[in-house]
Amino acid sequence: AQSVTQLGSHVSVSEGALVLLRCNYSSSVPPYLFWYVQYPNQGLQLLLKYTTGATLVKGINGFEAEFKKSETSFHLTKPSAHMSDAAEYFCAVSAFGNEKLTFGTGTRLTIIP
Amino acid sequence: EPEVTQTPSHQVTQMGQEVILRCVPISNHLYFYWYRQILGQKVEFLVSFYNNEISEKSEIFDDQFSVERPDGSNFTLKIRSTKLEDSAMYFCASSEVGQAGTDTQYFGPGTRLTVL
Repeated sequence: AQSVTQLGSHVSVSEGALVLLRCNYSSSVPPYLFWYVQYPNQGLQLLLKYTTGATLVKGINGFEAEFKKSETSFHLTKPSAHMSDAAEYFCAVSAFGNEKLTFGTGTRLTIIP
Repeated sequence: EPEVTQTPSHQVTQMGQEVILRCVPISNHLYFYWYRQILGQKVEFLVSFYNNEISEKSEIFDDQFSVERPDGSNFTLKIRSTKLEDSAMYFCASSEVGQAGTDTQYFGPGTRLTVL
């Protein structure tokens, strides 16, 4: 079985500050890891994903995440927050041969002007 | 850019009533999914559908739930007799290939179902 834990249901950062959203996973097989973002009244949009290879993954809108097997983590970062980053962020896990995504509870990111 | 659409955006129903949630997946996609999120809880997988049959379903997806692709464009989720605990946001998704690691699932904006 696979699971995801997102620490912090709400995170607030000042505009221009570092964004760090935490995700830890549990998986008995090598995981595939994802970050999705949901803007108000829109669907979940894929930000980035890790399957194999380079552990530092770059995504859209300046976000990146690093897969750390030893820490079972896949934290999402962005060096400088922008007002348009305000949204809900979901971490998810899957595995080879698995169709479904297993999601965390989400983190709502608020940007303070 | 192609997108997944869902209707209605909000559905209110009485307990025991049947509801049908509708989704239009991206046109060249072959795999379809339903997920749901009860307020304050995780987004949960319900079912995946390929080649006109269910390929995987979760323990949540009991006999009260059914899915159908009635024509070439729509994908529906039916709840036969709604319960209070069915109140949730329901997300439809679609993908080309169906392997979560090598493919991307594209999600719709969701339908918020409220059961009174």
